[in-house]
Amino acid sequence: NAGVTQTPKFQVLKTGQSMTLQCAQDMNHNSMYWYRQDPGMGLRLIYYSASEGTTDKGEVPNGYNVSRLNKREFSLRLESAAPSQTSVYFCASSEARTSKGNEQFFGPGTRLTVL
Amino acid sequence: GDSVTQMEGPVTLSEEAFLTINCTYTATGYPSLFWYVQYPGEGLQLLLKATKADDKGSNKGFEATYRKETTSFHLEKGSVQVSDSAVYFCALLPMNYGGSQGNLIFGKGTKLSVKP
Repeated sequence: NAGVTQTPKFQVLKTGQSMTLQCAQDMNHNSMYWYRQDPGMGLRLIYYSASEGTTDKGEVPNGYNVSRLNKREFSLRLESAAPSQTSVYFCASSEARTSKGNEQFFGPGTRLTVL
Repeated sequence: GDSVTQMEGPVTLSEEAFLTINCTYTATGYPSLFWYVQYPGEGLQLLLKATKADDKGSNKGFEATYRKETTSFHLEKGSVQVSDSAVYFCALLPMNYGGSQGNLIFGKGTKLSVKP
């Protein structure tokens, strides 16, 4: 049982390049999330998927797209990377979005630097 | 809108000292409240939670009580260890029709360093 896995762990991009961050969970969770973590800002929600087949914008969606490929996988794409997207990105999953099921399990993170 | 405010860090303590990290919230109704911990180089993990007023969440020697009257959920531990050094995040799950549901709202985090 690996929990939530993310690839890659580190990435350096040049401005304007594109890339996809991959996330997978093996806990049969319905809901998945993408966050970014910046110093002094805490965690900010980029996109979430309440259930397979649905995706919705979070607090800071501009410059990102997501795909809920199946119940296990939720990817985050940067179409044209900008230095402001330098951050640590976390994927998380939870059984549901209710209080009883909302323990979120986090992946180890991807450290992205955009030059 | 709903929000969470945590005390700013960093907090530096000696081993076996008493810890309090303050957390207050603004929300309508009765949100659910959480504390998450992030150890260096890792993702967040749930430390404890409380889903209604006066509930006390506890885990690994940490405790927090849901105080509706003061809109607070302060984290406490009687005797910290070096291994408790981490960043601690307070979070709330908003109250919506049918109960607490939605997306977690996180505070900005408080870094704790415990020295031997």
